[in-house]
Amino acid sequence: QKEVEQNSGPLSVPEGAIASLNCTYSDRGSQSFFWYRQYSGKSPELIMFIYSNGDKEDGRFTAQLNKASQYVSLLIRDSQPSDSATYLCAVMLEYGNKLVFGAGTILRVKS
Amino acid sequence: DAGVIQSPRHEVTEMGQEVTLRCKPISGHDYLFWYRQTMMRGLELLIYFNNNVPIDDSGMPEDRFSAKMPNASFSTLKIQPSEPRDSAVYFCASSEQDTDTQYFGPGTRLTVL
Repeated sequence: QKEVEQNSGPLSVPEGAIASLNCTYSDRGSQSFFWYRQYSGKSPELIMFIYSNGDKEDGRFTAQLNKASQYVSLLIRDSQPSDSATYLCAVMLEYGNKLVFGAGTILRVKS
Repeated sequence: DAGVIQSPRHEVTEMGQEVTLRCKPISGHDYLFWYRQTMMRGLELLIYFNNNVPIDDSGMPEDRFSAKMPNASFSTLKIQPSEPRDSAVYFCASSEQDTDTQYFGPGTRLTVL
């Protein structure tokens, strides 16, 4: 079992819709969770981080964390074509300062 | 702030040659990370440093890979000898002491022929 799993997609949504990206992780002791966006040919860019169970909102983005289910999600409201990218879920392992990345989900927003 | 700086941005070399990748972390950041990204394996942590000291190099693929951090503002990742399977994008990232948030450099695209 991979430490961080994501559906590779592509996930296609129409412009203005809500995009829902999901991630599961195996290290039950993990405390820090991150979503990075990566455009083709570019480096990963931090979008959000979340430490506590529940929701965290930042503009059009909402991160959701459920530690009991070992599940993290990212919602993008009012999706725009510029949101088209690969979204990487990353989990900080309980021991050591190591960030483990999922394989990423490709999101395509169609205008 | 200039962000994490990496050089070169692109490197094309022949099998067997030595390759050196360079990284300057964000000023004041205590942690430095080297990652490799390929289509097959995704983004993998190779090694990380805290206050210039290597902490975990368990991700380094083999002895052909080595990394150093002689001071707080400079790190190198060296591959000697290089092989075609080393072709990938290599990222450097840095973070502050009391946060888990890592900031990535632009990456070096390495092609070994």
